[in-house]
Amino acid sequence: DAKTTQPPSMDCAEGRAANLPCNHSTISGNEYVYWYRQIHSQGPQYIIHGLKNNETNEMASLIITEDRKSSTLILPHATLRDTAVYYCIVRVNDYKLSFGAGTTVTVRA
Amino acid sequence: ETGVTQSPTHLIKTRGQQVTLRCSSQSGHNTVSWYQQALGQGPQFIFQYYREEENGRGNFPPRFSGLQFPNYSSELNVNALELDDSALYLCASSNQELGRVYEQYFGPGTRLTVT
Repeated sequence: DAKTTQPPSMDCAEGRAANLPCNHSTISGNEYVYWYRQIHSQGPQYIIHGLKNNETNEMASLIITEDRKSSTLILPHATLRDTAVYYCIVRVNDYKLSFGAGTTVTVRA
Repeated sequence: ETGVTQSPTHLIKTRGQQVTLRCSSQSGHNTVSWYQQALGQGPQFIFQYYREEENGRGNFPPRFSGLQFPNYSSELNVNALELDDSALYLCASSNQELGRVYEQYFGPGTRLTVT
């Protein structure tokens, strides 16, 4: 599996967009980019996934660069409830998810 | 809410004992995966069951075993408990079909403490 690199932590102001970067320079052509998040003491929550096109759903947008070596998860209007650890995972499919350390996002009022 | 439930919520066991954790998958899902999450770390894949058969395993010893039932619910069994087995155990369900990318839905987890 391609490895991912994420910043260990970041702060965001409530109501502003949160942009979470992820580097995956060794990604293969058939590997997807998945994002999950884990709010304290809860199970991880699926957010979004994509292959090469940008994706958007009710929770977030996923922007993947043309060379697919990096991506950005965008939370358009961060709320205090978005405070969580965010995991970027690269897989052929999401069987056997390999979670790294993720990015701890703190949304401040 | 994902529709995935786990029991019990918390459990305290003594080193050397055996434990069984249970998971009910989301309706319509045929695949269950189990993960172990130690404090301060990301979840680590233990194994996955698809239609009652083990479908892959992570780097965990044989004393970690599992079952999936015809209704797709699942059990995780751990024998000869060690102190390092203290962790949050997560169950995730999904619907696996050939050639289709699918996402996993996690339950709230079981917090196991081994003393």
